[in-house]
Amino acid sequence: QKEVEQDPGPLSVPEGAIVSLNCTYSNSAFQYFMWYRQYSRKGPELLMYTYSSGNKEDGRFTAQVDKSSKYISLFIRDSQPSDSATYLCAIPGPTNAGKSTFGDGTTLTVKP
Amino acid sequence: ETGVTQSPTHLIKTRGQQVTLRCSSQSGHNTVSWYQQALGQGPQFIFQYYREEENGRGNFPPRFSGLQFPNYSSELNVNALELDDSALYLCASSSPNRDSGYTFGSGTRLTVV
Repeated sequence: QKEVEQDPGPLSVPEGAIVSLNCTYSNSAFQYFMWYRQYSRKGPELLMYTYSSGNKEDGRFTAQVDKSSKYISLFIRDSQPSDSATYLCAIPGPTNAGKSTFGDGTTLTVKP
Repeated sequence: ETGVTQSPTHLIKTRGQQVTLRCSSQSGHNTVSWYQQALGQGPQFIFQYYREEENGRGNFPPRFSGLQFPNYSSELNVNALELDDSALYLCASSSPNRDSGYTFGSGTRLTVV
């Protein structure tokens, strides 16, 4: 079983829609969770990280962690065409963020 | 614009050859991680260097090796290339702080034929 599994997508939504991107993880000891966005032909860029259960909001993005279900989600409100990218969830390594385990990504297309 | 630069951007090599990929870290970052990202998959951790010493390694064979230099730039070397080594190779620099995340370069696209 992979440590991090991500809904494969692809996902296509109209502009303005609310998007939900989801991952599950296997090890209940994981405490930190990260979301990255990767545009085509670019490296991933960190969107958000969260440490605890519950929600963390940053503009149109909300990261949610449910430790009881080992489920993490990223919600995008009022989605824009510029949000079209691949979204990756990641679990940082035990000692630093440089040794992370990534999901395989969900590719999102927001249509104008 | 990202502070991490990688070269070359694209590379085509023949099976059995050797390749060296280069990464220049973001200023102030003394930790460099290398990842392999196959098409349609997430990045897989290869290894990390901290202050010129290897500081952790993923599930990759010894023919994947690296170096970090005093200015914190880094190299990834792959010997005896195989077709399955075709992938995007990403370099990411970070501080040791877990909460800081990484800064990734745009990667080197390696094709092995």
